[in-house]
Amino acid sequence: DAGVIQSPRHEVTEMGQEVTLRCKPISGHNSLFWYRQTMMRGLELLIYFNNNVPIDDSGMPEDRFSAKMPNASFSTLKIQPSEPRDSAVYFCASSPGFSGGQETQYFGPGTRLLVL
Amino acid sequence: AQSVTQLGSHVSVSEGALVLLRCNYSSSVPPYLFWYVQYPNQGLQLLLKYTTGATLVKGINGFEAEFKKSETSFHLTKPSAHMSDAAEYFCAVSDRSGAGSYQLTFGKGTKLSVIP
Repeated sequence: DAGVIQSPRHEVTEMGQEVTLRCKPISGHNSLFWYRQTMMRGLELLIYFNNNVPIDDSGMPEDRFSAKMPNASFSTLKIQPSEPRDSAVYFCASSPGFSGGQETQYFGPGTRLLVL
Repeated sequence: AQSVTQLGSHVSVSEGALVLLRCNYSSSVPPYLFWYVQYPNQGLQLLLKYTTGATLVKGINGFEAEFKKSETSFHLTKPSAHMSDAAEYFCAVSDRSGAGSYQLTFGKGTKLSVIP
């Protein structure tokens, strides 16, 4: 079982550049989550999808952030333009999506983003 | 809104000693409760969860946690620490009031160090 796949694992970019993070959820999972982890703020939920539809994006910090899920096996998180304060580890997670809040979420290895 | 408090951002124990990591939640309705572990440079992995039934829950790697409604707590324990237990541990909750609510709210995390 491949688990949740994220790419790239590391990204270094300069302020103002566009950054795209990618996620492939576990096959058959219907819910997908994007989190951001920083020392100051801990783990924050940015957005989550159910059946490819964005359900709650209230955690997206500002308009520079956008997320899409064009199909059940792929999602992107885009930052345009990037800023140094966006530096963090971004995690994607997926869950089966049938049983509500009691479901286990399965996390990918994360993308470590550094914006210079 | 739900919140999770983990007492102690860092805990150090000697190898073979009891591990106790504290978690308290704030919610009018007891939520679903989770403990996740994060090893360095990896994603989060579920240790155990409480959804219903027996309040003492056993997880992987010898960990267990007990849900105490009267204390709004879900503390994590392990009788004997092993060097491989050194990691960061996150308590999380999700809302059980609605089938469509999949969001996890995480505590700030407790970093466990094991001293040989």
